Amino acid sequence: TQLLEQSPQFLSIQEGENLTVYCNSSSVFSSLQWYRQEPGEGPVLLVTVVTGGEVKKLKRLTFQFGDARKDSSLHITAAQTGDTGLYLCAGEEGNNRLAFGKGNQVVVIP
Amino acid sequence: NAGVTQTPKFQVLKTGQSMTLQCAQDMNHEYMSWYRQDPGMGLRLIHYSVGAGITDQGEVPNGYNVSRSTTEDFPLRLLSAAPSQTSVYFCASSYSWGGNEKLFFGSGTQLSVL
Repeated sequence: TQLLEQSPQFLSIQEGENLTVYCNSSSVFSSLQWYRQEPGEGPVLLVTVVTGGEVKKLKRLTFQFGDARKDSSLHITAAQTGDTGLYLCAGEEGNNRLAFGKGNQVVVIP
Repeated sequence: NAGVTQTPKFQVLKTGQSMTLQCAQDMNHEYMSWYRQDPGMGLRLIHYSVGAGITDQGEVPNGYNVSRSTTEDFPLRLLSAAPSQTSVYFCASSYSWGGNEKLFFGSGTQLSVL
């Protein structure tokens, strides 16, 4: 069962622009994680958000967890070509299972 | 540290053949899992293990077997390969289970079944 919906599915922007991608669900999660995956590699964890309303910053990346803990967003400021990748959100589905969204494919054009 | 090591990197099989995808981690992690990644479908959990000797099914277990005889190794077996199993397979591990735990992924195995 796919609990996490990510939008937009694909986003292409010029270097230096800002962008925001979203991860939404009808379910409440105790925490959400964001991973980034580059071609030919496995996903790498960027951040875990655990408190409703929480905002975490990782250099130019800002992650927000919704107050109701059903959604999250990732904002990238002044995107660079190194930000190109597939961004995946993930939440605990229960029974020792981590469910992933389908991802936001971000392409930053130089 | 090597982290999570998957072999092979690429594999081509004929329908009906069997094979084992290898996964090993050197971080003494209790939790290990297998995912498949298909275009438009995201990462889907196949099987997982919360410790040596303990395995359980994920979202898409049919056609796959696993075992966990040691903490380090978690092989994935395809008993009779089908074209529908063409995919990229990822092994992942974490220190323990919990939604806050960081999953470490291998670099994947690209499998084609003809």
